[in-house]
This record gives sequence, structure tokens and C-alpha cells, in this order.
Amino acid sequence: KNQVEQSPQSLIILEGKNCTLQCNYTVSPFSNLRWYKQDTGRGPVSLTIMTFSENTKSNGRYTATLDADTKQSSLHITASQLSDSASYICVVSAEAGTALIFGKGTTLSVSS
Amino acid sequence: GAVVSQHPSWVICKSGTSVKIECRSLDFQATTMFWYRQFPKQSLMLMATSNEGSKATYEQGVEKDKFLINHASLTLSTLTVTSAHPEDSSFYICSAGTGNKGYTFGSGTRLTVV
Repeated sequence: KNQVEQSPQSLIILEGKNCTLQCNYTVSPFSNLRWYKQDTGRGPVSLTIMTFSENTKSNGRYTATLDADTKQSSLHITASQLSDSASYICVVSAEAGTALIFGKGTTLSVSS
Repeated sequence: GAVVSQHPSWVICKSGTSVKIECRSLDFQATTMFWYRQFPKQSLMLMATSNEGSKATYEQGVEKDKFLINHASLTLSTLTVTSAHPEDSSFYICSAGTGNKGYTFGSGTRLTVV
């Protein structure tokens, strides 16, 4: 069964600190993996997308890694800001252009 | 590029009425659009997949007669919630894309049925 599991479910950190979110998946055949940021009451916004051959992708303070062998991905946030408070969703695409499998997300709260 | 506009961003309607939500791809053509609903603190749940010019494919458990989807052009898909009831209150999100460009999400519509 195609599944995407994220951990932790929620996380609270102090402003300026770094954090890492985890995503494990069992999706086959694998096409790509995306990380999205979803602010409360808004649609998800894409942060990174990685295909099978990519193992690192950065977008500003966000760095995603992918280990296709172990089927694990992480999203590292550097020097967190209050505006980083949101839900971070890992989404795996099974087969090009078709099904998306969503993780339940990690809720990040950054406090001052 | 790849902007998806979704309207309205929120709507309150009376029980028994119908509500239409629009999803537009502004700077690209979307051969496939997806409609999701999301309950508080839950993941997005796919409701249906629509391809331009053909009938939508609904996920198991989603009533096609209640959630009417029309994808009449490569830039517009609409979701109509018919005879809305309070249990239909949710956050509805569309996404649009093509096979090689991936997916972009709309900003979502908060529906409240009173």
C-alpha cells in the first residue's frame, strides 16, 4: 500500500534555531517527492521537488534530502523565523503526472 | 509561473443551497485538475480528478451528484457543492498541472454551511 508517513506530528522551536522534519514513504513506482508549506487556511506552496536521482535540493533556508534506497526524505530549516510556523507536508508522486500520496504533515511552531 | 487562482477564498451559505468554487490556471494550460478537501489538522483528501473535456473521476465515497465538477477548458475547473449541509463545511483546495510540470495548488476555499 502506498503510504507517506511524517514525523514528528508537531514541533515547537525557538526563533533562530534549526530543525529537521522527516518523511518516510512506501510508494512504488516512485516518480518524485515534494515538500510543501501550508499556512493555516491557505493552500500548500511548493518548497522543493526531487526526482529519484536527486539527493539534495535547497530553497533559501529550506534544504530537502532524499535517500531513494531507504525511501526517506528530510526537510531541514535553518535559522527559523516566526513566519516559518506552518504545516509542512511531504507528498510523493507515484508514476509521472498521476497519483499524489500526501503525508499528514508536521505542524511547526516557531516562538520568540 | 504556474499560478493557480481559486475563488472564492471563503463562503458562507445556507443549508440546502449550492455553492460554486472556481479554480483557474493563470499562466499555463492544465490538462488535469484535482479537487481536495481538508478537515482541521488533517491531510488533504483527494475528492476527484478532472481532465479537460471529459468526466471527472471521483474517489471512493465521494458523491458525484453532490460534488459536481466541470473542467470545460484548459484553464478552468469548477466544483459545485449542491444542496450543501453543515457536514459539507470544510476547506476545499484545487490543484492544477500537467504531467511534466507538476502540480500547483490554489489558495483554498473555506466553506461554511449554516
